[in-house]
Amino acid sequence: DARVTQTPRHKVTEMGQEVTMRCQPILGHNTVFWYRQTMMQGLELLAYFRNRAPLDDSGMPKDRFSAEMPDATLATLKIQPSEPRDSAVYFCASGFSGEETQYFGPGTRLLVL
Amino acid sequence: AQSVTQLDSHVSVSEGTPVLLRCNYSSSYSPSLFWYVQHPNKGLQLLLKYTSAATLVKGINGFEAEFKKSETSFHLTKPSAHMSDAAEYFCVALKKAAGNKLTFGGGTRVLVKP
Repeated sequence: DARVTQTPRHKVTEMGQEVTMRCQPILGHNTVFWYRQTMMQGLELLAYFRNRAPLDDSGMPKDRFSAEMPDATLATLKIQPSEPRDSAVYFCASGFSGEETQYFGPGTRLLVL
Repeated sequence: AQSVTQLDSHVSVSEGTPVLLRCNYSSSYSPSLFWYVQHPNKGLQLLLKYTSAATLVKGINGFEAEFKKSETSFHLTKPSAHMSDAAEYFCVALKKAAGNKLTFGGGTRVLVKP
């Protein structure tokens, strides 16, 4: 049963610290999406990759957030420095570029104190 | 601009009774539409999707949704609610021209009473 995996599942850190979240897309998928879920804003798209290339990161605060795909099996989302307002659940999703369904990981619950 | 509106933020039903979750979308043309479910502290799971084939779409766990272009609606239904259906449900639209980006509704939280 292929699934998107995300690590860590939970992260508590202090303001100013660097946070790195990792995502392993389903093997063979060539699109990866990063979303953030908060009570106030709901689900927001942060970044979108196809074939490891970033296609859209307009939803991401550029000054502190960065997203990369070092290889086809790993996507990372970094926050440096982290702020309390970054507290949220961060989801990764993957899919095929020619197919519309996105498959979501379990999320990383981030709390910045 | 494309938007997705879920008309109820909370729905409460008794076990064994029908469930109706309402969703309207706005778009200049029919997008692909999805319903996802999120159980507490879990990721989003696909329930069903509409991609311009049959207007009545059957999904997992007894859910189905009907696409009505004239009403720009994609309401989700289930004839008989089960306790395990208690979760948050998201209506989602995809616009291929926008690079397969998803637009999420605000979510409907379903409470199932015994």
